Amino acid sequence: DAKTTQPPSMDCAEGRAANLPCNHSTISGNEYVYWYRQIHSQGPQYIIHGLKNNETNEMASLIITEDRKSSTLILPHATLRDTAVYYCIVWINTGTASKLTFGTGTRLQVTL
Amino acid sequence: DTAVSQTPKYLVTQMGNDKSIKCEQNLGHDTMYWYKQDSKKFLKIMFSYNNKELIINETVPNRFSPKSPDKAHLNLHINSLELGDSAVYFCASSHFGQEAFFGQGTRLTVV
Repeated sequence: DAKTTQPPSMDCAEGRAANLPCNHSTISGNEYVYWYRQIHSQGPQYIIHGLKNNETNEMASLIITEDRKSSTLILPHATLRDTAVYYCIVWINTGTASKLTFGTGTRLQVTL
Repeated sequence: DTAVSQTPKYLVTQMGNDKSIKCEQNLGHDTMYWYKQDSKKFLKIMFSYNNKELIINETVPNRFSPKSPDKAHLNLHINSLELGDSAVYFCASSHFGQEAFFGQGTRLTVV
């Protein structure tokens, strides 16, 4: 699986958009970009994923650059409850051995 | 309704004991996983089962033995517990090759 690089921490004011970057310069053509988050000692929570096109759901938007070497997760109106560690993972279902490999993530702190 | 549920939530036990953690999912998924999160917060996969068949077995001491009685259950049995086994253990499930849903974790403390 390709490796990802994320800033260790970020701050965001409540109500503002939180833009979390992720570099995945060695991503291969059939690897997806997945985002998960972990809110203080809870289980990781799936947020969104994409391959080439930008994606949006009720939680967030995912912007993937044209060369697919980086992406940005956007939380449009961050709230205090969005304070968490956010993990960017590039992943492919490799048949019989399919697993998510978590890195160190970005700790997002949303403040008043 | 909890999608992926683990029991117990907390487990404190002495070194040398044998303990089990149970996991159940009601999502109809065919793949289940065990992850370990250590004190430094690194999340690492331990095992994965697809349709009750072991498909991923990372470098884990053989004191750890997963058992999948059916597709909805994946239990983790640990023999001869050691201090270093203290961690949070997460169960997860997915349709094969799709996003995984995680349980709330079992915090194991070995004293």
